[in-house]
Amino acid sequence: EVHLVESGGGLVKPGGSLRLSCAASGFTFSSYSMNWVRQAPGKGLEWVSSISTTGTYIYYAGSVKGRFTISRDNAKNSLYLQMSSLRAEDTAMYYCARDGAATAWGQGTLVTVSS
Amino acid sequence: DIQMTQSPSSLSASVGDRVTITCRASQGIGNYLAWFQQKPGKAPKSLIYAASSLQSGVPSKFSGSGSGTDFTLTISSLQPEDFATYYCQHYSSYPRTFGQGTKLEIK
Repeated sequence: EVHLVESGGGLVKPGGSLRLSCAASGFTFSSYSMNWVRQAPGKGLEWVSSISTTGTYIYYAGSVKGRFTISRDNAKNSLYLQMSSLRAEDTAMYYCARDGAATAWGQGTLVTVSS
Repeated sequence: DIQMTQSPSSLSASVGDRVTITCRASQGIGNYLAWFQQKPGKAPKSLIYAASSLQSGVPSKFSGSGSGTDFTLTISSLQPEDFATYYCQHYSSYPRTFGQGTKLEIK
């Protein structure tokens, strides 16, 4: 069974940094592109970033480009999102998700940016 | 960027009804379209990929159709557990945009 477990969320002050992790199991992690998707309180889903199987190709939403960095470690079956210069509008539940047709989702980790 | 527009934004229906949700892409995306269901406080659940293929374990009451720019999700014989918010998302290019969601409520 596919399992994606996010961690690393929490309360951070504006301008601060946070690193999210996603542990994958139940499938061949290195064979799939992966995404981060977020959902602000009471709002819809917003795609944040994607990374190809080897990390060669990386894409970001305009709202996070230059502030967030996606990465992966296929040896550890793990996906990461380094977030810096955080703003109040980055407050959201952050989900990792397997890309494309074989989409699977984690349960999410909550990031709150507030002073 | 490709914009995804869902309609309606909200929908009231009764148990046993059949409903259809529409998703329109601002440009052609082939059949690179997925549908998700989300219940309050829960992570999204994948329902359909490639516009019309059911994810494993998803009941056949859910069906999808369309290609190019116009897509539909149909849910037949609504049950209480089907009342949720539904999202479409394209995966034909980047950014992978979502529709704004359709909230399906009990009438």
